[in-house]
Amino acid sequence: DAGITQSPRYKITETGRQVTLMCHQTWSHSYMFWYRQDLGHGLRLIYYSAAADITDKGEVPDGYVVSRSKTENFPLTLESATRSQTSVYFCAGSGAPGDTQYFGPGTRLTVL
Amino acid sequence: AQSVTQLGSHVSVSEGALVLLRCNYSSSVPPYLFWYVQYPNQGLQLLLKYTTGATLVKGINGFEAEFKKSETSFHLTKPSAHMSDAAEYFCAVSDRAGGFKTIFGAGTRLFVKA
Repeated sequence: DAGITQSPRYKITETGRQVTLMCHQTWSHSYMFWYRQDLGHGLRLIYYSAAADITDKGEVPDGYVVSRSKTENFPLTLESATRSQTSVYFCAGSGAPGDTQYFGPGTRLTVL
Repeated sequence: AQSVTQLGSHVSVSEGALVLLRCNYSSSVPPYLFWYVQYPNQGLQLLLKYTTGATLVKGINGFEAEFKKSETSFHLTKPSAHMSDAAEYFCAVSDRAGGFKTIFGAGTRLFVKA
């Protein structure tokens, strides 16, 4: 158990609404990541964080905002949800860059 | 830039048959290579990884993979499939040139027939 929890597990929202997906770790992973999983695309990196208050963009950051004021929490916010953001979102943690990543159970988000 | 190609989005085998899931990567420097497995409604979990050293890597649940630099491949195998192996499998690569960001393949769904 790598101690990554995500909430909520399922979320339905409407276009234009702000949504925040929560990620919490009980281990002391330095690195944390947000991915989205879409059929045919595998996992695509949205944002990652190397430590508290250090975040950087991944492959598909547009429309998303992250923060990491505490090492254990890494929330992902969709500022104004769009239908194209309907996806399964995974949070992951890692002790070092390029090393094994430990994944949470995912949040299935539907934007109507 | 790194990239990963998994050949075949779906693979179907009979129980007891050999499992072979193909992965080719692109990397300008020595890579770290991973195979992850995802069961329905769960996150990914590590099956095995190659960083340095022995090119044949053994993982959990009887899976193994061989790093072949000359072929830029990291194929995943298991001698005898079990019904519980049915899942989606992801190959991934990271390297120093890419800032150690991990790039995932599109995934291969494994079906196991009784």
